[in-house]
Amino acid sequence: KQEVTQIPAALSVPEGENLVLNCSFTDSAIYNLQWFRQDPGKGLTSLLLIQSSQREQTSGRLNASLDKSSGRSTLYIAASQPGDSATYLCAVPDNYGQNFVFGPGTRLSVLP
Amino acid sequence: EPEVTQTPSHQVTQMGQEVILRCVPISNHLYFYWYRQILGQKVEFLVSFYNNEISEKSEIFDDQFSVERPDGSNFTLKIRSTKLEDSAMYFCASSGGPGQLYEQYFGPGTRLTVT
Repeated sequence: KQEVTQIPAALSVPEGENLVLNCSFTDSAIYNLQWFRQDPGKGLTSLLLIQSSQREQTSGRLNASLDKSSGRSTLYIAASQPGDSATYLCAVPDNYGQNFVFGPGTRLSVLP
Repeated sequence: EPEVTQTPSHQVTQMGQEVILRCVPISNHLYFYWYRQILGQKVEFLVSFYNNEISEKSEIFDDQFSVERPDGSNFTLKIRSTKLEDSAMYFCASSGGPGQLYEQYFGPGTRLTVT
């Protein structure tokens, strides 16, 4: 059964810093991995989808990488801003079904 | 840009009552899902739906839950006889193809509070 972990659980950085969020998954036979953003009490906003054939995907200040063989993905946020403060979730397909398995998230606070 | 919508945004109900949560998936999508997130916990899969039938369900999705696509646009989650522990945010999602292969698009969620 697919298990997803994320470290750190929480991160607080001053504005302007570059930062890396980590996601690990146990079953490396995945077709894709999705990163989401969740603001407190709100829904899930898809940030990036990386297909298994890709190693990286970029959107603005966000860059996500995928290393299937090691069961890891990282989300790199450049020049962080207070508006980036949110919880970041990664999710991978459960290969025995059609659903996504979510990690617990990293709660990011960017201080002005 | 097409999006998944959900109504209501917040539902308060008394224990034992039935609730129906509604979702309108993206129009050309064929696969539909419900997830839930209890406050402070992970997002958990409930059920997937394809071709007018349940294709997969988790252990959480017991007999008190049911899903339906009553017409060509809506996808509903019914919870019979709600319990306090059903209080959570419920997310609907849809995808253009099988969930292992395609991006899933999530709605804004319905916050269910059972008192």
